[in-house]
Amino acid sequence: TQLLEQSPQFLSIQEGENLTVYCNSSSVFSSLQWYRQEPGEGPVLLVTVVTGGEVKKLKRLTFQFGDARKDSSLHITAAQPGDTGLYLCAGAAGGYQKVTFGTGTKLQVIP
Amino acid sequence: GAGVSQSPSNKVTEKGKDVELRCDPISGHTALYWYRQRLGQGLEFLIYFQGNSAPDKSGLPSDRFSAERTGESVSTLTIQRTQQEDSAVYLCASSLSGQRNSPLHFGNGTRLTVT
Repeated sequence: TQLLEQSPQFLSIQEGENLTVYCNSSSVFSSLQWYRQEPGEGPVLLVTVVTGGEVKKLKRLTFQFGDARKDSSLHITAAQPGDTGLYLCAGAAGGYQKVTFGTGTKLQVIP
Repeated sequence: GAGVSQSPSNKVTEKGKDVELRCDPISGHTALYWYRQRLGQGLEFLIYFQGNSAPDKSGLPSDRFSAERTGESVSTLTIQRTQQEDSAVYLCASSLSGQRNSPLHFGNGTRLTVT
Protein backbone atom coordinates (compact mmCIF):
# COMPACT_ATOMS: atom_id res chain seq x y z
CA THR A 1 0.00 0.00 0.00
CA GLN A 2 1.37 3.39 -0.97
CA LEU A 3 0.92 5.93 1.80
CA LEU A 4 1.50 9.65 1.57
CA GLU A 5 1.89 11.45 4.87
CA GLN A 6 1.50 15.20 4.96
CA SER A 7 2.73 17.54 7.64
CA PRO A 8 1.62 19.57 9.35
CA GLN A 9 -2.00 18.44 9.52
CA PHE A 10 -3.20 21.91 10.49
CA LEU A 11 -1.61 25.31 10.07
CA SER A 12 -2.97 28.67 11.16
CA ILE A 13 -0.84 31.67 10.27
CA GLN A 14 -1.08 35.42 9.88
CA GLU A 15 -1.32 37.07 6.49
CA GLY A 16 2.14 37.78 5.10
CA GLU A 17 3.90 34.83 6.74
CA ASN A 18 5.68 32.08 4.84
CA LEU A 19 4.95 28.38 5.23
CA THR A 20 6.00 24.97 3.97
CA VAL A 21 3.91 21.83 3.69
CA TYR A 22 5.58 18.44 3.37
CA CYS A 23 4.46 15.26 1.64
CA ASN A 24 6.42 12.09 2.41
CA SER A 25 6.29 8.46 1.39
CA SER A 26 8.43 5.34 1.42
CA SER A 27 7.24 4.61 -2.12
CA VAL A 28 8.55 5.97 -5.39
CA PHE A 29 6.10 7.83 -7.59
CA SER A 30 6.37 8.54 -11.29
CA SER A 31 4.70 11.90 -10.78
CA LEU A 32 3.27 13.91 -7.96
CA GLN A 33 0.44 16.41 -8.02
CA TRP A 34 -0.71 19.07 -5.59
CA TYR A 35 -4.36 20.01 -5.24
CA ARG A 36 -6.25 22.61 -3.22
CA GLN A 37 -9.74 21.98 -1.97
CA GLU A 38 -12.21 24.50 -0.62
CA PRO A 39 -15.26 23.60 1.50
CA GLY A 40 -18.08 22.02 -0.48
CA GLU A 41 -16.00 21.60 -3.60
CA GLY A 42 -13.78 18.98 -5.17
CA PRO A 43 -9.98 19.34 -5.21
CA VAL A 44 -8.49 21.49 -7.97
CA LEU A 45 -5.10 20.74 -9.49
CA LEU A 46 -2.32 23.25 -8.75
CA VAL A 47 0.72 21.56 -10.30
CA THR A 48 2.24 18.28 -11.48
CA VAL A 49 5.92 17.43 -10.98
CA VAL A 50 7.47 14.47 -12.76
CA THR A 51 11.27 14.67 -12.53
CA GLY A 52 13.30 14.04 -9.39
CA GLY A 53 14.60 17.37 -8.06
CA GLU A 54 12.15 19.35 -10.19
CA VAL A 55 11.06 22.76 -8.90
CA LYS A 56 7.98 24.54 -10.21
CA LYS A 57 6.71 27.99 -9.30
CA LEU A 58 3.16 29.21 -9.49
CA LYS A 59 3.12 32.88 -8.41
CA ARG A 60 3.80 32.75 -4.65
CA LEU A 61 3.75 28.93 -4.53
CA THR A 62 6.90 26.86 -5.03
CA PHE A 63 6.69 23.10 -5.46
CA GLN A 64 9.60 20.69 -5.26
CA PHE A 65 9.81 16.97 -6.05
CA GLY A 66 12.44 15.07 -4.07
CA ASP A 67 15.46 13.65 -5.88
CA ALA A 68 14.32 10.09 -5.14
CA ARG A 69 10.73 10.90 -6.16
CA LYS A 70 9.42 9.83 -2.75
CA ASP A 71 8.64 13.22 -1.28
CA SER A 72 7.57 16.73 -2.16
CA SER A 73 7.14 20.13 -0.58
CA LEU A 74 4.94 23.14 -1.15
CA HIS A 75 6.23 26.53 -0.02
CA ILE A 76 3.95 29.58 0.09
CA THR A 77 5.52 33.03 0.33
CA ALA A 78 3.61 35.91 1.91
CA ALA A 79 0.43 33.91 2.50
CA GLN A 80 -2.90 35.60 1.83
CA PRO A 81 -6.42 34.80 3.11
CA GLY A 82 -7.26 33.48 -0.35
CA ASP A 83 -4.71 30.70 0.20
CA THR A 84 -6.92 29.20 2.91
CA GLY A 85 -7.98 25.65 2.11
CA LEU A 86 -7.08 21.98 2.29
CA TYR A 87 -3.87 21.14 0.43
CA LEU A 88 -3.52 17.60 -0.86
CA CYS A 89 -0.58 15.89 -2.48
CA ALA A 90 -1.25 12.94 -4.76
CA GLY A 91 1.20 10.42 -6.16
CA ALA A 92 0.83 8.39 -9.32
CA ALA A 93 2.43 4.99 -9.79
CA GLY A 94 1.79 1.60 -11.27
CA GLY A 95 0.76 0.37 -14.65
CA TYR A 96 -2.28 2.55 -14.97
CA GLN A 97 -0.99 5.38 -12.80
CA LYS A 98 -3.14 4.79 -9.73
CA VAL A 99 -3.42 8.11 -7.92
CA THR A 100 -3.04 7.96 -4.15
CA PHE A 101 -3.82 11.03 -2.08
CA GLY A 102 -2.05 12.28 1.01
CA THR A 103 -3.59 12.90 4.40
CA GLY A 104 -4.06 16.61 3.74
CA THR A 105 -2.93 19.89 5.32
CA LYS A 106 -5.60 22.33 6.39
CA LEU A 107 -4.31 25.90 6.06
CA GLN A 108 -5.94 28.95 7.56
CA VAL A 109 -4.53 32.39 6.78
CA ILE A 110 -5.80 35.05 9.16
CA PRO A 111 -6.13 38.61 7.80
CA GLY B 1 -21.20 23.01 -18.09
CA ALA B 2 -18.14 20.99 -19.12
CA GLY B 3 -17.09 19.83 -15.66
CA VAL B 4 -17.67 16.61 -13.71
CA SER B 5 -21.20 16.47 -12.38
CA GLN B 6 -22.30 14.45 -9.36
CA SER B 7 -25.78 13.82 -8.06
CA PRO B 8 -27.34 14.12 -5.64
CA SER B 9 -25.23 16.76 -3.91
CA ASN B 10 -26.61 15.68 -0.54
CA LYS B 11 -28.21 12.42 0.54
CA VAL B 12 -29.60 11.54 3.94
CA THR B 13 -30.61 7.94 4.40
CA GLU B 14 -31.54 5.58 7.18
CA LYS B 15 -29.21 2.85 8.29
CA GLY B 16 -29.85 -0.32 6.31
CA LYS B 17 -31.15 1.38 3.17
CA ASP B 18 -29.42 1.20 -0.22
CA VAL B 19 -28.13 4.34 -1.95
CA GLU B 20 -26.98 5.07 -5.47
CA LEU B 21 -24.60 7.90 -6.30
CA ARG B 22 -24.13 9.15 -9.83
CA CYS B 23 -21.17 10.66 -11.65
CA ASP B 24 -21.17 12.27 -15.11
CA PRO B 25 -17.54 12.69 -16.18
CA ILE B 26 -16.17 15.17 -18.68
CA SER B 27 -17.01 14.03 -22.19
CA GLY B 28 -14.15 12.08 -23.76
CA HIS B 29 -12.42 11.26 -20.48
CA THR B 30 -11.71 7.55 -20.46
CA ALA B 31 -10.49 7.28 -16.86
CA LEU B 32 -12.86 7.64 -13.92
CA TYR B 33 -12.11 7.41 -10.20
CA TRP B 34 -14.23 7.25 -7.06
CA TYR B 35 -12.84 8.48 -3.74
CA ARG B 36 -14.28 8.80 -0.25
CA GLN B 37 -13.44 11.73 2.01
CA ARG B 38 -14.23 11.84 5.70
CA LEU B 39 -14.61 15.24 7.32
CA GLY B 40 -11.45 17.35 6.96
CA GLN B 41 -9.34 14.40 5.83
CA GLY B 42 -7.58 13.23 2.70
CA LEU B 43 -9.11 11.17 -0.08
CA GLU B 44 -9.48 7.40 0.21
CA PHE B 45 -9.31 5.58 -3.14
CA LEU B 46 -12.28 3.34 -3.88
CA ILE B 47 -12.25 2.24 -7.52
CA TYR B 48 -10.80 3.12 -10.92
CA PHE B 49 -12.41 2.68 -14.34
CA GLN B 50 -10.67 2.70 -17.71
CA GLY B 51 -13.50 2.81 -20.20
CA ASN B 52 -16.21 0.54 -18.83
CA SER B 53 -13.79 -1.83 -17.11
CA ALA B 54 -12.62 -1.58 -13.51
CA PRO B 55 -9.04 -2.84 -13.37
CA ASP B 56 -8.64 -1.69 -9.78
CA LYS B 57 -11.39 -2.21 -7.23
CA SER B 58 -8.97 -2.61 -4.35
CA GLY B 59 -10.30 0.35 -2.38
CA LEU B 60 -13.91 -0.80 -2.04
CA PRO B 61 -14.33 -1.22 1.76
CA SER B 62 -16.68 -4.20 1.68
CA ASP B 63 -18.95 -6.21 -0.56
CA ARG B 64 -21.72 -3.73 0.25
CA PHE B 65 -19.99 -1.34 -2.15
CA SER B 66 -20.17 -1.75 -5.91
CA ALA B 67 -19.76 0.48 -8.95
CA GLU B 68 -20.37 0.30 -12.63
CA ARG B 69 -19.77 2.44 -15.66
CA THR B 70 -21.66 2.33 -18.93
CA GLY B 71 -21.09 3.83 -22.36
CA GLU B 72 -17.65 4.95 -21.21
CA SER B 73 -19.54 7.75 -19.54
CA VAL B 74 -21.84 7.73 -16.53
CA SER B 75 -20.81 5.82 -13.43
CA THR B 76 -22.87 4.82 -10.41
CA LEU B 77 -21.58 3.88 -6.98
CA THR B 78 -24.02 1.75 -5.01
CA ILE B 79 -23.86 1.19 -1.27
CA GLN B 80 -26.13 -1.53 0.04
CA ARG B 81 -27.39 -1.80 3.62
CA THR B 82 -25.79 1.50 4.57
CA GLN B 83 -24.05 1.85 7.92
CA GLN B 84 -23.28 5.00 9.91
CA GLU B 85 -19.57 4.63 9.13
CA ASP B 86 -20.44 5.08 5.44
CA SER B 87 -21.20 8.75 6.15
CA ALA B 88 -18.72 10.80 4.14
CA VAL B 89 -18.35 12.84 0.97
CA TYR B 90 -18.02 10.65 -2.10
CA LEU B 91 -15.98 12.32 -4.84
CA CYS B 92 -15.78 11.34 -8.47
CA ALA B 93 -12.97 12.41 -10.79
CA SER B 94 -12.23 11.88 -14.44
CA SER B 95 -9.09 12.26 -16.50
CA LEU B 96 -8.32 12.19 -20.18
CA SER B 97 -6.43 8.94 -20.26
CA GLY B 98 -5.37 7.73 -16.82
CA GLN B 99 -1.78 8.18 -17.94
CA ARG B 100 0.97 9.86 -16.00
CA ASN B 101 0.48 13.63 -15.75
CA SER B 102 -3.19 13.46 -16.63
CA PRO B 103 -4.80 15.79 -14.11
CA LEU B 104 -7.87 14.60 -12.27
CA HIS B 105 -10.96 16.77 -12.65
CA PHE B 106 -13.25 16.43 -9.66
CA GLY B 107 -16.93 16.92 -9.14
CA ASN B 108 -18.20 18.65 -6.01
CA GLY B 109 -19.08 15.35 -4.40
CA THR B 110 -22.12 13.76 -2.81
CA ARG B 111 -22.36 14.26 0.93
CA LEU B 112 -23.87 11.08 2.37
CA THR B 113 -25.29 11.05 5.87
CA VAL B 114 -26.51 7.77 7.32
CA THR B 115 -28.77 8.21 10.34
